[in-house]
Amino acid sequence: KAGVTQTPRYLIKTRGQQVTLSCSPISGHRSVSWYQQTPGQGLQFLFEYFSETQRNKGNFPGRFSGRQFSNSRSEMNVSTLELGDSALYLCASSTLDSNNGYTFGSGTRLTVV
Amino acid sequence: TQLLEQSPQFLSIQEGENLTVYCNSSSVFSSLQWYRQEPGEGPVLLVTVVTGGEVKKLKRLTFQFGDARKDSSLHITAAQPGDTGLYLCAGANNQGGKLIFGQGTELSVKP
Repeated sequence: KAGVTQTPRYLIKTRGQQVTLSCSPISGHRSVSWYQQTPGQGLQFLFEYFSETQRNKGNFPGRFSGRQFSNSRSEMNVSTLELGDSALYLCASSTLDSNNGYTFGSGTRLTVV
Repeated sequence: TQLLEQSPQFLSIQEGENLTVYCNSSSVFSSLQWYRQEPGEGPVLLVTVVTGGEVKKLKRLTFQFGDARKDSSLHITAAQPGDTGLYLCAGANNQGGKLIFGQGTELSVKP
C-alpha cells in the first residue's frame, strides 16, 4: 500500500514569506502528526490531528499552524518565515493507538534565505 | 517536560563488532519506539516495546524495555555496513500522537 506522501520535497523561501506543506497519510490512518527536525534540536513535535481536530500541540509559536481535511490529508502552514525555520519537516501517520508506531513520510526540506 | 537522553551520540565501528545504544528518561512511557533514518528520508519504525522488561529481537537487533518503562536499549550483534544510519528512540505517553525523541545515535560501520 502507498506510504505517507509529503509535498513538496524541497522548498526555498525568503524571510517574511509564508509556506504551506502537504501530507497524505496511509489509507485508513486518521492520525497525522508533524515534526520539525534540525541538527541542533533533533526531532521536535509540532502538532497532531485526528478526525480533523487538533489533539495535541508542541511548544512552537503561533506562526506554525495546521489543519486536517475530511479525507485525513493534512497541511501545515508557517507564516512570517524566519531563518531559524530552515529544517526538515516530517509528517507521520498512525492508527488510533500510538503504541503501534508511526509511518513517516520522506519530509519537506525547507530552506529560508 | 519529558526528555529522552540517548547515548552515545556518535559511534564508528568495524564490521563484525557488537554495539549497544541506550535511551534513558526519568519519565514513564506507555511505549518506547526505535526508528532508523537514512539521509534525506524520514525515520522508519524498527520496533515498538510496550511491556516493562520486554525483549524483542529483529534478526541481529535486540531491543529491551526497562522494567519501570523509563529506559530502553538497542543491541546490534556483528554489525554490518548496511546498519549504518541514524538510530532514534522515541517515547509515547498516550498524549494524542506526541512522540518524545532522543537526540539520535549516528552509527557508522566500516567494512
